[in-house]
Amino acid sequence: QKEVEQDPGPLSVPEGAIVSLNCTYSNSAFQYFMWYRQYSRKGPELLMYTYSSGNKEDGRFTAQVDKSSKYISLFIRDSQPSDSATYLCAMSATPPGGGNKLTFGTGTQLKVEL
Amino acid sequence: DTAVSQTPKYLVTQMGNDKSIKCEQNLGHDTMYWYKQDSKKFLKIMFSYNNKELIINETVPNRFSPKSPDKAHLNLHINSLELGDSAVYFCASSQEGGTYEQYFGPGTRLTVT
Repeated sequence: QKEVEQDPGPLSVPEGAIVSLNCTYSNSAFQYFMWYRQYSRKGPELLMYTYSSGNKEDGRFTAQVDKSSKYISLFIRDSQPSDSATYLCAMSATPPGGGNKLTFGTGTQLKVEL
Repeated sequence: DTAVSQTPKYLVTQMGNDKSIKCEQNLGHDTMYWYKQDSKKFLKIMFSYNNKELIINETVPNRFSPKSPDKAHLNLHINSLELGDSAVYFCASSQEGGTYEQYFGPGTRLTVT
């Protein structure tokens, strides 16, 4: 069993829909949670960063962390065709960087259709 | 201005060959990484260097050898390539603090035939 599980999709939604992307994890030591977006044939780019539990909002994007359930979510409101990409969750027990590694989920492929 | 660049972008080679991938970052970051992304999009760290010093070395065959000539460059040399090495290899860099964001390069798509 992988440390971080993510439904690979593909997930197809109509433009304007609310999208919910999720990850579950098994390591209770994880405290740093991130969502990366990866367009086709490109490198991942950081979308959202959250430390510990709670919600964080940035424009149309909301990240939620529920450490008691070991479950994190990314919500996209008013989804646009430009949101079509693969979304990777990532997490770390210690500040990710230097000698501390980031563990990624397998990514969920999202397609927003006109 | 390209933040993290990799060369080549595509690499097609035969089994048994030796190849190198180069990475450069102009962000002034102290830490650089190599990741492997398989066909199912699973991204797994291979190596990490901090100020030219190897600090993460995951369970990777010793046919893979990273080298950091300075903190802006991190290269990956692969000996005796195997079919299973076919993947997209990403270089990334980061700086301590803040959001700990890792900046990824565009990837090198390696195909071993």
